Amino acid sequence: EPEVTQTPSHQVTQMGQEVILRCVPISNHLYFYWYRQILGQKVEFLVSFYNNEISEKSEIFDDQFSVERPDGSNFTLKIRSTKLEDSAMYFCASRLPGDSNQPQHFGDGTRLSIL
Amino acid sequence: GEDVEQSLFLSVREGDSSVINCTYTDSSSTYLYWYKQEPGAGLQLLTYIFSNMDMKQDQRLTVLLNKKDKHLSLRIADTQTGDSAIYFCAEKYGGYNKLIFGAGTRLAVHP
Repeated sequence: EPEVTQTPSHQVTQMGQEVILRCVPISNHLYFYWYRQILGQKVEFLVSFYNNEISEKSEIFDDQFSVERPDGSNFTLKIRSTKLEDSAMYFCASRLPGDSNQPQHFGDGTRLSIL
Repeated sequence: GEDVEQSLFLSVREGDSSVINCTYTDSSSTYLYWYKQEPGAGLQLLTYIFSNMDMKQDQRLTVLLNKKDKHLSLRIADTQTGDSAIYFCAEKYGGYNKLIFGAGTRLAVHP
């Protein structure tokens, strides 16, 4: 069964450094999402992306965050200058086009640790 | 604003049924989802239900929806040790299918 893949599984970065989290969505999916889960807290929506542009973003997704689909298969989340509070599990998700109620399929996540 | 609430912990004996409950606030929700997260893994879609349905059954899983009370439940029949995981309830919100998650219910299955 096709799945969403995320790399790396764990990223350790010094505060203030840039980090890029990578995702390969399911191949025929056209809607892409990033969520994060701070340890012990709820899974929170960050951003949705369709047709090469952001369709919706949350208050968390400030100017330090950006997303990109650099080629036909990858979908990336960049944090420009990481802060301690960016430490979390980051999940990528994708879904089929068409009916907006198509379920989202999630990757296994990248655990980001900021030192 | 939109919110989803779940009880945080459930302990059941192997072979018994588990019932995980969830309440949501958005009355315009059209789809509600259950995801499972095993240790160190991602969010696995288990099942979902459209808000004009009362019940959906899929093998050992039964989803019940009380739209009037905005209450959703997931019943797992004949619970096995492999069912031990965190179960997340989520509602679709907005036109682009943003998901609002509950905090997750940790299911512990003991012999």
